[in-house]
Amino acid sequence: DTGVSQNPRHKITKRGQNVTFRCDPISEHNRLYWYRQTLGQGPEFLTYFQNEAQLEKSRLLSDRFSAERPKGSFSTLEIQRTEQGDSAMYLCASTLGPGDHTEAFFGQGTRLTVV
Amino acid sequence: GEDVEQSLFLSVREGDSSVINCTYTDSSSTYLYWYKQEPGAGLQLLTYIFSNMDMKQDQRLTVLLNKKDKHLSLRIADTQTGDSAIYFCAESPAGNMLTFGGGTRLMVKP
Repeated sequence: DTGVSQNPRHKITKRGQNVTFRCDPISEHNRLYWYRQTLGQGPEFLTYFQNEAQLEKSRLLSDRFSAERPKGSFSTLEIQRTEQGDSAMYLCASTLGPGDHTEAFFGQGTRLTVV
Repeated sequence: GEDVEQSLFLSVREGDSSVINCTYTDSSSTYLYWYKQEPGAGLQLLTYIFSNMDMKQDQRLTVLLNKKDKHLSLRIADTQTGDSAIYFCAESPAGNMLTFGGGTRLMVKP
């Protein structure tokens, strides 16, 4: 297993376009998390899945954002009608189970630039 | 809500010790974590401490936890230029997502 994989690594899009990111977690990990990191800030939680169920969404996740994990394996994060304020690094992480991030692994992120 | 605070910047000379401080508000966290982020790279878990511990040492890293004051620190002994990075402390309230501080940029001068 090569760890948590995110694609694409970089995405430049025009304002108003839709974008979709993909995260492939470590294969036996049941929990998958999405975070957003803007320049000079720490990562902020967006949402997480336990297998295919989306268990919690942050208030940061506006209705333009949607995340799925249809088969409990990879996940996608879609942003519709992108705005310049969506420019950030989007990070994915996975853990084996709840309550313990001592084995949480982060992907290298997808850097989104909205022009 | 949860809040994690860190100082923004720390500069040390190579070979000196670095101490990065963090304060947090949520007392229910089971674990507290330190992550390292290098330019263009993802987050790397450096170390963590269980909330019923006061101290944890892991090679050059020492974590101190003061639960009464909700204060966490990371000491890096014999700091090297390769330690230059941004360091984030994080807590996990309710055992679910991580809440991160804003990060401390460590600069190590040769």
